[in-house]
Amino acid sequence: ILNVEQSPQSLHVQEGDSTNFTCSFPSSNFYALHWYRWETAKSPEALFVMTLNGDEKKKGRISATLNTKEGYSYLYIKGSQPEDSATYLCAFGTGRRALTFGSGTRLQVQP
Amino acid sequence: DGGITQSPKYLFRKEGQNVTLSCEQNLNHDAMYWYRQDPGQGLRLIYYSQIVNDFQKGDIAEGYSVSREKKESFPLTVTSAQKNPTAFYLCASSPKRQGEHEQYFGPGTRLTVT
Repeated sequence: ILNVEQSPQSLHVQEGDSTNFTCSFPSSNFYALHWYRWETAKSPEALFVMTLNGDEKKKGRISATLNTKEGYSYLYIKGSQPEDSATYLCAFGTGRRALTFGSGTRLQVQP
Repeated sequence: DGGITQSPKYLFRKEGQNVTLSCEQNLNHDAMYWYRQDPGQGLRLIYYSQIVNDFQKGDIAEGYSVSREKKESFPLTVTSAQKNPTAFYLCASSPKRQGEHEQYFGPGTRLTVT
């Protein structure tokens, strides 16, 4: 079983704060790294799929970076809003099997 | 509307009974997946299928069985051999199995076994 770790486990921030989370994954046999947002009572939705070392992706106030050599990815949220409250999951793919998910970072943004 | 449907949303069963969770997709995706989520844990892979009539065990396949007779359907049976079946079950699909394709998730089924 591959080890994908996310930190912190949970985070409480104030509206307007910027925040970031970490996803650590094995640095060997890398194929892709996914980020998903999972809001309460909804299905997880993909934010980013990254495949190249040094990749940076951005969607509105959310961005992600990827370092495959050292096995980590950062997700950044600039100016957090209450609607950003969700669990953020990362998932690591080797290309030989299905994705392995981390346990997620639960973000609460207080108005 | 394209998407993945899971039914029912909530399911209650007595211990010792098998139960089948439904998952249907109309996205024309080749690959489909079943995950289980327990409190404080991430999504753990139970089974996945890359193509009709083919499927592979994931990390926690014991006590579960699947079939893939049609491209759009991937039902999961939780058997009486599964020691801790109470959990939230998510189905997903992707165009292909390879990791560069994002996965699309259904709304989930919460199974309670007493």
